[in-house]
Amino acid sequence: KNQVEQSPQSLIILEGKNCTLQCNYTVSPFSNLRWYKQDTGRGPVSLTIMTFSENTKSNGRYTATLDADTKQSSLHITASQLSDSASYICVVSAATQAGTALIFGKGTTLSVSS
Amino acid sequence: DAGVIQSPRHEVTEMGQEVTLRCKPISGHNSLFWYRQTMMRGLELLIYFNNNVPIDDSGMPEDRFSAKMPNASFSTLKIQPSEPRDSAVYFCASSNAVGSNQPQHFGDGTRLSIL
Repeated sequence: KNQVEQSPQSLIILEGKNCTLQCNYTVSPFSNLRWYKQDTGRGPVSLTIMTFSENTKSNGRYTATLDADTKQSSLHITASQLSDSASYICVVSAATQAGTALIFGKGTTLSVSS
Repeated sequence: DAGVIQSPRHEVTEMGQEVTLRCKPISGHNSLFWYRQTMMRGLELLIYFNNNVPIDDSGMPEDRFSAKMPNASFSTLKIQPSEPRDSAVYFCASSNAVGSNQPQHFGDGTRLSIL
């Protein structure tokens, strides 16, 4: 069964600290993996998209990694800011005969405090 | 450029009423997606269109839900009759292609409350 599991469910860190969010998936056949940031009351915003052959991709202070062998991805946030407080959602695409299937994690809620 | 525009932002109505949610995708995008988000289930894909044609509606929960895309710049999601368990935030997103590495751009959602 195609699944995406994210951990931790929630996280509280101090401003300026680094943190890492995890995403484990059992999705086949894998097409790509996306990380989204969702601020409260807003729609998700794309941070990174990685294909099978990519193992690292950065977007400013956000760096995503992908290990296709172990089916794990992480999102590392460097020097956190108060504006990083949000939910982070991992989404894995599977290319099926019926089309593209999108499998969503339930997200990690990050709170950055001063 | 304007992003994905959804209306209304908030909708409160009584159960049994018809609800219509509207979406204007980003100009030039040929794929449009409708999602539902709840605390319990997270984000769920309901249906997506490619070039105005529904491709996969397997996420539509029941026959009470229907979606249309009469042209490249407009889509609706309709619930008739509505029930309290339909209360959620409904998002619309658009992109250049479905399975590609292009990002999906989301609207800010419609928060629906069915009393």
